[in-house]
Amino acid sequence: GAGVSQSPSNKVTEKGKDVELRCDPISGHTALYWYRQSLGQGLEFLIYFQGNSAPDKSGLPSDRFSAERTGGSVSTLTIQRTQQEDSAVYLCASSLVVYEQYFGPGTRLTVT
Amino acid sequence: EDQVTQSPEALRLQEGESSSLNCSYTVSGLRGLFWYRQDPGKGPEFLFTLYSAGEEKEKERLKATLTKKESFLHITAPKPEDSATYLCAVPRGGGKLIFGQGTELSVKP
Repeated sequence: GAGVSQSPSNKVTEKGKDVELRCDPISGHTALYWYRQSLGQGLEFLIYFQGNSAPDKSGLPSDRFSAERTGGSVSTLTIQRTQQEDSAVYLCASSLVVYEQYFGPGTRLTVT
Repeated sequence: EDQVTQSPEALRLQEGESSSLNCSYTVSGLRGLFWYRQDPGKGPEFLFTLYSAGEEKEKERLKATLTKKESFLHITAPKPEDSATYLCAVPRGGGKLIFGQGTELSVKP
């Protein structure tokens, strides 16, 4: 079946601009996660959605980062006023069983 | 503070040369340990979940084991297609996974 899809695959933006990254989870998966992977760094948890519960936003690095999940399916991660340190690969994952997360291919964000 | 440490950072093997990757963790109340494989330019691919000390899981040339302090990923007679970065992770509540830095495995023919 179809896996997790993310768009765009690559995004280059100028410092100070806003960007939106999209994630389509596996159909039927109730949980959705966003992570960030910087060069030479491990995966860094950003945010977690489970069903209709309030999201766990504890990993968001600043108030410039926000995410929403519409209809319990598609999610959008928004970064406002991008900075160069936001350059990274942003990975989305979904799961049916908690913690057994299936990842998308990621969006590579470059802030110039 | 919960921590996950993987070693070695990089491992180069000849095809057929078996070895092990290590993942040590310091967490209170382990609720599972997860292994992933990540190929360049791709997202991590789920491999195994281990829930209790003594548990073992196998998939092709890979076998994952778990003790109270660490997990090993044993690779038997590896092939070049096993080359990838192998990540381990532990849960930290609320759906969050804490990942190690990974071991970059290279298998030469």
